Amino acid sequence: DAGVIQSPRHEVTEMGQEVTLRCKPISGHDYLFWYRQTMMRGLELLIYFNNNVPIDDSGMPEDRFSAKMPNASFSTLKIQPSEPRDSAVYFCASSGQGEWGYTFGSGTRLTVV
Amino acid sequence: AQSVTQLDSQVPVFEEAPVELRCNYSSSVSVYLFWYVQYPNQGLQLLLKYLSGSTLVKGINGFEAEFNKSQTSFHLRKPSVHISDTAEYFCAVTRRGGGSQGNLIFGKGTKLSVKP
Repeated sequence: DAGVIQSPRHEVTEMGQEVTLRCKPISGHDYLFWYRQTMMRGLELLIYFNNNVPIDDSGMPEDRFSAKMPNASFSTLKIQPSEPRDSAVYFCASSGQGEWGYTFGSGTRLTVV
Repeated sequence: AQSVTQLDSQVPVFEEAPVELRCNYSSSVSVYLFWYVQYPNQGLQLLLKYLSGSTLVKGINGFEAEFNKSQTSFHLRKPSVHISDTAEYFCAVTRRGGGSQGNLIFGKGTKLSVKP
């Protein structure tokens, strides 16, 4: 199994631009999570899906952030417009029903200048 | 709601010495507990988890942790560390049971630095 695959690994963009982060979960996993990691705030859950349906998006910082999961093998996290304070490492993780332990991707390091 | 406190942000230790990374949690309901490790520029990897049963849990790479309900702690230990154990370690908690995976709450992390 290739694990959770995220792309791109690194993204540098200018303030105001749209950024799209992508995630392919492990095949057969029912849950998909988006986390953000910063020095100041640590790991924060942004949103999670169960069977492609968003369950809890209370961690999404503001309307500039949106996430979709059009099918079981793909999810996107979009920031529009991006701001320097969005600079962070964004992780995607997936888990199977009842497994109680997420598998994380390698993350996307986003830098907004 | 649940919360996690990792008492030490950094722990320096010499190679082959024992180490303990401390984790305390707060919750009004029963919980599941986890330890993850993050190597530089990588994602988090599950070390071990406590769901039920024996309070002493063994994980990968020789690590173990003990769940102490009365002290609301889940400290991570290794009797002899290696240079390769240098990484950041995260304690995490989630509400026990229910049909949903729920929200895994992470501590701020402890950076373990193993010196030769």
